[in-house]
Amino acid sequence: GAVVSQHPSRVICKSGTSVKIECRSLDFQATTMFWYRQFPKQSLMLMATSNEGSKATYEQGVEKDKFLINHASLTLSTLTVTSAHPEDSSFYICSASNLQGTEAFFGQGTRLTVV
Amino acid sequence: GQNIDQPTEMTATEGAIVQINCTYQTSGFNGLFWYQQHAGEAPTFLSYNVLDGLEEKGRFSSFLSRSKGYSYLLLKELQMKDSASYLCAVRDRDYKLSFGAGTTVTVRA
Repeated sequence: GAVVSQHPSRVICKSGTSVKIECRSLDFQATTMFWYRQFPKQSLMLMATSNEGSKATYEQGVEKDKFLINHASLTLSTLTVTSAHPEDSSFYICSASNLQGTEAFFGQGTRLTVV
Repeated sequence: GQNIDQPTEMTATEGAIVQINCTYQTSGFNGLFWYQQHAGEAPTFLSYNVLDGLEEKGRFSSFLSRSKGYSYLLLKELQMKDSASYLCAVRDRDYKLSFGAGTTVTVRA
């Protein structure tokens, strides 16, 4: 079946630095990928929709200048958390669907800790 | 948008059956998904329903009634490893998934 790979799985960074998270669809092309954030003991919240070759669409309340999304190819989307602060510490997860739309797969997730 | 409700917690005995209900209100229904999530890990895809009826996949089955805005996930022959959070997610016409808060299932020996 389709697989989505996310890297890195864990990252610790200093406050004020930037962190890039990659999301790859391994055996299918994804024109659209989604980025979610999950705080402890809470459900997933959609942050943005990543569109190949065009600008990402951000959900209300998500700062586009802080969470930069690039979807330069049909198999890769990246999320960059800029000028990270401790409150950005969270579990970030990407997802993509197969062409038929019958399955939606998630990457392994990235645990970001900002110190 | 979507408004998705599912129970917070359920407990069952090993070998038993548990049914997790999910109700939703949506502005543009385009499929319902169930995921399993263990603590600290990403969600794992379990099932997909877009038409009314029952979809069976081994020990897991999922049911959908679009007219009632209702779905359930049925877990049979429960095993200890089934202890996890189960997420109900509704997809809209833009292919965005909205998640319920999740149901924590605890399987006891």
